[in-house]
Formats: sequence, structure tokens, C-alpha cells
Amino acid sequence: EIVLTQSPGTLSLSPGERATLSCRASQSVSSSYVAWYQHKLGQAPRLLIYGSSNRATGIPDRFSGSGSGTDFTLSIGRLEPEDFAVYYCQQYGSSLWTFGQGTKVEIK
Amino acid sequence: EVQLVESGGGLVQPGGSLRLSCVASGFTFSSYSINWVRQAPGKGLEWVSYISSIDNTYYADSVKGRFTISRDNAKNSLYLQMNSLRAEDTAVYYCARCCVAGHGFDYWGQGILVTVSS
Repeated sequence: EIVLTQSPGTLSLSPGERATLSCRASQSVSSSYVAWYQHKLGQAPRLLIYGSSNRATGIPDRFSGSGSGTDFTLSIGRLEPEDFAVYYCQQYGSSLWTFGQGTKVEIK
Repeated sequence: EVQLVESGGGLVQPGGSLRLSCVASGFTFSSYSINWVRQAPGKGLEWVSYISSIDNTYYADSVKGRFTISRDNAKNSLYLQMNSLRAEDTAVYYCARCCVAGHGFDYWGQGILVTVSS
């Protein structure tokens, strides 16, 4: 089973700053099968990025994804107040999905 | 509007059983794969199970042999039969539509709480 490790665990930033979140896989994964989600307390998770770099429907262009092999990144260009949340990366392979443990983006 | 609504959660004793349901609307349910994902208290997201439009099924090792996923396309419904429940199965359970956007989950329900405790 592929393990996804996200870093940092918590990111403390101010609105307007740029956020860079990392997701490292224990072995190479297909970039076609890497996704990123935003999750706020009491709400359903929201798909942000699929295929490592494609924005899902309705996602603002301040969100961008990149990466290949074992290293993937989610960037948030300028943080808006509604962007403070927990973010998860996810990969699919060998008939199962795994999630990273999450990165919390909090207001500094 | 795409909607997924879970039901059937609640408190159950260790070793007991529970069946979760997820009713879909706003899309052609029979054409899509659907997953169950859970989040234990204070923990991250954990994929649980998948069913394809043609009833292929996959399970996480943590639930294999105890949980069974199924669907009834006539009722636009997804199910998760959970047997031999353990304390570590306590979580909010979400159903999530799959695999239009790569293998990402593009629509999710609001979740339903399952508590396994004596």
C-alpha cells in the first residue's frame, strides 16, 4: 500500500500570503491519479485538484497543483479567509485509494 | 444539482451490525462509481470501499470481510452493510461519487456518524 506523507502538519499564515503544501508518496504514483481536497469542520470534503494539476469545476485559479513521481504540491496563490481549512492529498492505485494525513492551514 | 444524502448511522455495541444508506439525486446514478470514506474523531480521511457501475467492488484491508458495499440503481441508492463492528470503526461516514475527474471524488454527502461503544 502506498503511504502519502503531507508536510507541514500545520501551516500558520496570514490572509493574502501564499501557501505551499507538500505530499510525498512512499513509491512512485501516476500523476493522473493524484487529487487534493479541502475539508472544513462539519462540511463535506471538496475536490480541488485532480490528475495532479487540473482544477475541479468551480475552483478558483488561486489553487494550483503540480508534481510527478513521488512529490506533489498544492499551492494557494493568495489566501482568502475562506481558504483556512484542512487539505488532503489522495492517490489511486492497485484498486485502492489512500489519503495523506492532512495539512491544516490556520490563520496566523 | 448533484446531491448525496447518507442515513442509517447511530450507536451500536461492539460486535454489532449497522447498514448505512446513501441516496443520490441530480445525476444518472447507475452510470457512476461510488465510494465510502470515513473520518474517525480527530483523525484524517480514510477510504473504506468502492463499487463500480457494473458492481465491481474493492475494500480497504481494515474492513475487508466485515463490510459489504452494494447498490440499487432502481432506487438511486448505495449501501454499506457493516458487521462485527469495532470501536475503531467509530467515524463519520461519507459517500462520494467517483471517477469522472481522474479517480478523484467530485461530489460528497454531508456524512453520517457511526459510534461503536458499549
